[in-house]
Amino acid sequence: DTEVTQTPKHLVMGMTNKKSLKCEQHMGHRAMYWYKQKAKKPPELMFVYSYEKLSINESVPSRFSPECPNSSLLNLHLHALQPEDSALYLCASSPGVESNEQYFGPGTRLTVT
Amino acid sequence: KNEVEQSPQNLTAQEGEFITINCSYSVGISALHWLQQHPGGGIVSLFMLSSGKKKHGRLIATINIQEKHSSLHITASHPRDSAVYICAVPYSGGGADGLTFGKGTHLIIQP
Repeated sequence: DTEVTQTPKHLVMGMTNKKSLKCEQHMGHRAMYWYKQKAKKPPELMFVYSYEKLSINESVPSRFSPECPNSSLLNLHLHALQPEDSALYLCASSPGVESNEQYFGPGTRLTVT
Repeated sequence: KNEVEQSPQNLTAQEGEFITINCSYSVGISALHWLQQHPGGGIVSLFMLSSGKKKHGRLIATINIQEKHSSLHITASHPRDSAVYICAVPYSGGGADGLTFGKGTHLIIQP
């Protein structure tokens, strides 16, 4: 299984809602990533988990809260988002420190109303 | 943080043409990535290379570490090659640290 799955594919939420994005991989990878991609822009790194520990948090607002319950699963909890947070949220995984080759999920397209 | 420059930003070519996309970066790296993104969002890793040249089908990637420059070539281009091609480097120096992306090259191959 060389696939990274993300759910949901699409999400529309109001500014007062709480929702979560989910990412899963079963390749035995030990590093997982969240990226944010605005329309017609390249992805931007948000968070990195390495061996289930948060290793990079790229100055992301606290309304985004990552969680890595185990080495296969990565969540992104969303609360009190703003319309400018509307974007494609991409999850990726890589084997770990021995290789940074990244496998991307299809993304969750988030719209904040 | 590494800076990544890609050129051209947009490229339209006829089917069968030889395509070259260039990438340069500012800080030494362990490996450089070439990725492909189709409309709808999915990103596929094409190459990860740290030296020399790699080939996969009609795609060829080269890197010159001393000059901090890489190129992606497509031979005998086909309309199905139409996509955004993105160059990326490690965010902070290697290992499991995420990627910094170039702005991408939007390639259209016309039949």
